[in-house]
Amino acid sequence: NAGVMQNPRHLVRRRGQEARLRCSPMKGHSHVYWYRQLPEEGLKFMVYLQKENIIDESGMPKERFSAEFPKEGPSILRIQQVVRGDSAAYFCASSPGTEIYEQYFGPGTRLTVT
Amino acid sequence: DQQVKQNSPSLSVQEGRISILNCDYTNSMFDYFLWYKKYPAEGPTFLISISSIKDKNEDGRFTVFLNKSAKHLSLHIVPSQPGDSAVYFCAASPVIGDGLTFGKGTHLIIQP
Repeated sequence: NAGVMQNPRHLVRRRGQEARLRCSPMKGHSHVYWYRQLPEEGLKFMVYLQKENIIDESGMPKERFSAEFPKEGPSILRIQQVVRGDSAAYFCASSPGTEIYEQYFGPGTRLTVT
Repeated sequence: DQQVKQNSPSLSVQEGRISILNCDYTNSMFDYFLWYKKYPAEGPTFLISISSIKDKNEDGRFTVFLNKSAKHLSLHIVPSQPGDSAVYFCAASPVIGDGLTFGKGTHLIIQP
């Protein structure tokens, strides 16, 4: 049973470009979460999605960031017009949903903005 | 304002002894608590969890204790092994399915 998959593992973007990060949840998991980890910090919750629905985006910056989890295909975290402060590790987690609160994490995408 | 605090950035323990990692929280609405282990350049790995209806949960070498009145939980690893050297994160949520609130982590170093 494959775990949570994220790609790319490393992404380099120049300031002003767009970054697209992909996440495929574990088989049978319908809930997806995105987290960001800045250097020397813990993980910070960004957004929680189910298929075709954003459930909680309270941790998402108001501008330039968006997320989706379409009916088919992976979840996408999109960062427009990246700035140096967006450089971080972005982790996706998935969970089967109701009655289960454990979340299982992917390996992360390390975004570097030059 | 940090709602989940891990006050020890690092902890060194001799191989074979007990490792005790601590975590405090301020939000009384938290009902679910989890511990994750993380190696450099990898994602966090789920270790063990506990809900607020319990005060102890055990899985092999790992035991989590929850003291709700003190808003404190701890992770015990016994015996400690070299492969346990990693950063350990405490996380919490008020409701099943919510996003998790993480502490900043404790770097555990197991000395041979």
